[in-house]
Amino acid sequence: QVQLKESGPGLVQPSETLSLTCTVSGFSLTSYSVSWVRQPSGKGPEWMGRMWYDGDTAYNSALKSRLSISRDTSKNQVFLKMNSLQTDDTGTYYCTRVLNYGGPDYWGQGVMVTVSS
Amino acid sequence: DIQMTQSPSFLSASVGDRVTINCKASQNINKYLNWYQQKLGEAPKRLIYNTNNLQTGIPSRFSGSGSGTDYTLTISSLQPEDFATYFCLQHNSFLTFGSGTKLEIK
Repeated sequence: QVQLKESGPGLVQPSETLSLTCTVSGFSLTSYSVSWVRQPSGKGPEWMGRMWYDGDTAYNSALKSRLSISRDTSKNQVFLKMNSLQTDDTGTYYCTRVLNYGGPDYWGQGVMVTVSS
Repeated sequence: DIQMTQSPSFLSASVGDRVTINCKASQNINKYLNWYQQKLGEAPKRLIYNTNNLQTGIPSRFSGSGSGTDYTLTISSLQPEDFATYFCLQHNSFLTFGSGTKLEIK
């Protein structure tokens, strides 16, 4: 069955770089796109960026200067790197499978990231 | 970028009530509008995709409608398990979420 699982550090120092991994199973990264979405506690979700099935990427314009998304199809993994973290980057980070004409369907369980010294 | 305005932010209702939640897009999103339910500590769950298509396994008391810039989620008869937060999402151009509606028990 389709599964996505996020992994990465729970605590990041201000000004440091966040690195997260989304490991997928039950589908191919060359057939489906994967997006990263984050959600501050008590607030609505925010789309961060997308790894298309063909290897292309797209980013939220508000985060583009700090964000990089890549993948390793042999390991079924999508990576997120975001630099210059601040306290308002604290929240839960999700990866989600995105259908071309259906939007996000399956989501990972999320990983909580706290930016604090 | 497309903006999504969701209303109301909070909704208090009783079991058996019919409720509606609205989303308005800043431009035509061609019915590429999904609705998600999120419970505390869980990932969002897709209820409706492309305006009015019910996700497999979702009860028929959930329905969606709309076109152009205006979209609605309707729950015809609230059940205890429906008290949660609901988000709309446009996927016509990248992804934009609504700010959410917290549905509480009256």
